[in-house]
Order: sequence, then structure tokens, then C-alpha cells
Amino acid sequence: KNEVEQSPQNLTAQEGEFITINCSYSVGISALHWLQQHPGGGIVSLFMLSSGKKKHGRLIATINIQEKHSSLHITASHPRDSAVYICAVEGSNYQLIWGAGTKLIIKP
Amino acid sequence: DAGVTQSPTHLIKTRGQQVTLRCSPKSGHDTVSWYQQALGQGPQFIFQYYEEEERQRGNFPDRFSGHQFPNYSSELNVNALLLGDSALYLCASSYGPSYGYTFGSGTRLTVV
Repeated sequence: KNEVEQSPQNLTAQEGEFITINCSYSVGISALHWLQQHPGGGIVSLFMLSSGKKKHGRLIATINIQEKHSSLHITASHPRDSAVYICAVEGSNYQLIWGAGTKLIIKP
Repeated sequence: DAGVTQSPTHLIKTRGQQVTLRCSPKSGHDTVSWYQQALGQGPQFIFQYYEEEERQRGNFPDRFSGHQFPNYSSELNVNALLLGDSALYLCASSYGPSYGYTFGSGTRLTVV
């Protein structure tokens, strides 16, 4: 079993839909990161969470430390949101342990 | 404010050769981490440098080595290249060990 599990692996939705991507982890962490990777490799750090909830524009990230679970939500999705979304957790050894990613496609 | 800069962007090498990849961290960042991302896979942690020392290392052979310079820039060296070393190599910088990472666009290494 992987230490970081994401679901779904693939998600196709229509423009305007509310999107939820889930992340569960099995190790102790100091922080959880949500990242966005576009084709060609560019990675953008969206959020770093250690508790609670963060919001930036149409993106919302939540984390429940007790349940070892985090969610990334996208409101009013747009085709430009199409990308791979990655959950990565950070333990005490400074390493980022990455989930397999969720490939999101938003159709116009 | 420049982000993380990696060079070169693309590189083709022959099996058995050696390669050096370079990373300039975001201004104000002092920690550099390197990742290998094979096609269709998630990034794998290679190592992290802080204060010019390797602080932590992932499960990579000694053929992979690195260096951090006083200006916080970093190099990743790979010796005796194998076909399996073909991947996207990502550099990420941060201020301290875990205060938000900024990623470079990566170096695409192809070993033939």
C-alpha cells in the first residue's frame, strides 16, 4: 500500500462543475502540499497545509490531521484548470512523498 | 523575482557518459531538493542540500551526487548513465526545510 493515496486517478468534468480530489496518507507528517503539474513538467505549488483550510481564488484545500485525509476543491471549473494535481506529504526527514496524481480534464 | 531556474532544459547523452544538471534557487531560498520523474510516474526524491551539505538522501545509487554552492545554487551529477536514467529532473527550492517549495521547469534527460 502506498503511503499517499489519491483519488480519483482520472477525472473528466464539464466547465463549471465543482471538483473534488481526495488524498489519504498513512504516515506522520509535518505538512501536506497540493501541487499542479502541467504537460511538459512545470510544477506549481498550490497550497501547503498543516491544519484546517486554505482558500485561494477558486481553489480550496482542507486537511483533517486525525483522519489523515485532505481534499482539494475547485469551484466553477474552467478548461484552463486541466492538469495533473498531486498531493505530497512531508515527514520529519524533509522528504516529500508524492501521490500518483489526479489527471483532471475540464471540457468546455 | 526569478523563480527556480534549471539548465539545460533538454539534454541527450549516451549510455556510460556523465551529466551535470544545474539549479538556481528562488531568491531568498537556501534549500534545494532534487527529484527524478520518469515518464508517467510521480517524482522520486533524490536528495536535499542545505548549508552546502547533503541533508537527506533518497533511494538512489552513489552514481547520483550533488553539490551546493555558497550562493545556494546546486548541481546534480550522474555518472555512468544508464538508459533507465532517462527522466525529467526537477529542482525545488525552499527557505529552510519545509516552508513552501518552488519548482523549476525541469531538465529532460534522454539517455540513448
